[in-house]
Amino acid sequence: EIVMTQSPVTLSVSPGESATLSCRASQSVNSNLVWYQQKPGQAPRLLIYGASIRATGIPARFSGSGSGTEFTLTINSLQSEDFADYFCQQHNRWPRTFGQGTKLEIK
Amino acid sequence: EVQLAESGGGLVQPGGSLRLSCAASGFTFSTYEMNWVRQAPGKGLEWVSFMSTSGSVIQYADSVQGRFTISRDNAQNSLFLQMNSLRAEDTAIYYCAREYITSSGRALDVWGKGTTVTVSS
Repeated sequence: EIVMTQSPVTLSVSPGESATLSCRASQSVNSNLVWYQQKPGQAPRLLIYGASIRATGIPARFSGSGSGTEFTLTINSLQSEDFADYFCQQHNRWPRTFGQGTKLEIK
Repeated sequence: EVQLAESGGGLVQPGGSLRLSCAASGFTFSTYEMNWVRQAPGKGLEWVSFMSTSGSVIQYADSVQGRFTISRDNAQNSLFLQMNSLRAEDTAIYYCAREYITSSGRALDVWGKGTTVTVSS
């Protein structure tokens, strides 16, 4: 099974600043990497697929990069609604696996 | 409006069984591959199972292999998860999620609100 490791576990950032979240795969997943956002009490929301393609309706301040084993989600000019949990997931091999998540909190 | 609605969760004793349902609306269910994903209390997301449009391809997480069975009824626009031999560690919110497929990759683009399963004596 491919292990996905996200860092940091918790990230404290002030509104208006930028946040950089990392996701590392234990083996190459090519560009088969997805990012989700989840707010308390809600289902996850698709942000990025194909490692770098924003899903429909996702603001341009969200961007994804990387391939192989190292991936990054960058959120520029943080808005209040961006403070949430973020999960990466690989779909390169079965079983599909998620990272343990990064909690983005207000500083 | 595109929607998924899970049902069937509840409290069950260890070793018991439960059948979850997911009702799809607002899209052509038969043309989409589907998944179940769960989230234990205060924990992260765990992919559980996948089924192709016709049911010819099925995948399970190791943690549920042999105990859970995914199925679908395209005529009824529904996805199911039969869960047997339940354990305390199966306690979670269970989400059904639609698979979005493009030439650039796949993703789970539509999620239900989830149904809660609690395994406890």
